[in-house]
Amino acid sequence: DAGVIQSPRHEVTEMGQEVTLRCKPISGHNSLFWYRQTMMRGLELLIYFNNNVPIDDSGMPEDRFSAKMPNASFSTLKIQPSEPRDSAVYFCASRKRSGQGIQETQYFGPGTRLLVL
Amino acid sequence: RKEVEQDPGPFNVPEGATVAFNCTYSNSASQSFFWYRQDCRKEPKLLMSVYSSGNEDGRFTAQLNRASQYISLLIRDSKLSDSATYLCVVNKGLLYGGSQGNLIFGKGTKLSVKP
Repeated sequence: DAGVIQSPRHEVTEMGQEVTLRCKPISGHNSLFWYRQTMMRGLELLIYFNNNVPIDDSGMPEDRFSAKMPNASFSTLKIQPSEPRDSAVYFCASRKRSGQGIQETQYFGPGTRLLVL
Repeated sequence: RKEVEQDPGPFNVPEGATVAFNCTYSNSASQSFFWYRQDCRKEPKLLMSVYSSGNEDGRFTAQLNRASQYISLLIRDSKLSDSATYLCVVNKGLLYGGSQGNLIFGKGTKLSVKP
């Protein structure tokens, strides 16, 4: 079975440019998470969706960041305009909520390494 | 106090050694606890869940002390392939709002097993 798919795997862009990161969760998973990882701050949750609906976006750093999940199999994280301090690895993860309660094992995609010059 | 705190290491140990990692968490309402493993330039992957009674999976043993808000991971007979960063993970809990399903990741403890 395919795991979480992210694209692109690497992105190098210049300050001020728009960046769009993409994620396809594992089929049948109904929760999706966007994380950012840096050496200084570790792994931070940016936003997460349940059944395509944003539940908690308190981790989104500022208005330059936006995320959408138009359907169960696709999500995007957009940064506009990008800044050098946005350079990080961005992970998408998905999770299946079971009928017996919350199945909290999250499965991560390979990440997108973003460098903003 | 940080939500999840770990010693960053690195822990440099010879093959066959036993090594233990510790982690403390600040949210007393947390209900779920995990250890994730992250290899260099890879994504985090679940290593094991941590149960109140303690649990073992092969060479790995996890312990939870709710009173002290403390989690541990013990690796016996360490292998070269155990070299990685080990992330302590705690669910957010309702006390701090948001979904109980939110996970808080520690920054990780780096382990390097040498021949």
